[in-house]
Amino acid sequence: AQSVTQLDSQVPVFEEAPVELRCNYSSSVSVYLFWYVQYPNQGLQLLLKYLSGSTLVKGINGFEAEFNKSQTSFHLRKPSVHISDTAEYFCAVSEGTGGFKTIFGAGTRLFVKA
Amino acid sequence: EPEVTQTPSHQVTQMGQEVILRCVPISNHLYFYWYRQILGQKVEFLVSFYNNEISEKSEIFDDQFSVERPDGSNFTLKIRSTKLEDSAMYFCASSDRVEEKLFFGSGTQLSVL
Repeated sequence: AQSVTQLDSQVPVFEEAPVELRCNYSSSVSVYLFWYVQYPNQGLQLLLKYLSGSTLVKGINGFEAEFNKSQTSFHLRKPSVHISDTAEYFCAVSEGTGGFKTIFGAGTRLFVKA
Repeated sequence: EPEVTQTPSHQVTQMGQEVILRCVPISNHLYFYWYRQILGQKVEFLVSFYNNEISEKSEIFDDQFSVERPDGSNFTLKIRSTKLEDSAMYFCASSDRVEEKLFFGSGTQLSVL
């Protein structure tokens, strides 16, 4: 069964600084990987996804993530954050065999300070 | 962009009562899901639904839970006899392909007293 580990529960960072949110996964089969963002009192929205192909994936709002199969990681990065990026970020995985469920990590709270 | 709609946004109920949480998925989607998020905790998978039947369910989704697609537009989650620990935000989601992104509703905050 697949699982997702987000290594940091909270990441405080100053505005315009770079940020990396870490995610590791485990699965016995090929996987699809996702990052979702949750703003206060809202549902989750997709930031980006990796299905196949290039290991560097670009998403919305200037975020990107790199799939590293050997390290089973899918870390999320942004070179310069804004106050409006303050939110909860969830890494997620679904199995590439057509699994009908997406499993989410525990989330990382990104707090951008002025 | 099309949206997943959930009603009500807040539901307060007494322990032991039945609740039905309602969702209207995006109209051309085929895969439907319920997730829940207890305050401060991770988003947990409950159940997926495809072709009018449950595709997968988690250990959380016991006999107290059921899902239904009563017509061509609604997707409901019923909890027969609510417990205090059922208090959570419940999210409905849908997708048009199983490997594609999930579109989430804004959630129903269920409070069991």
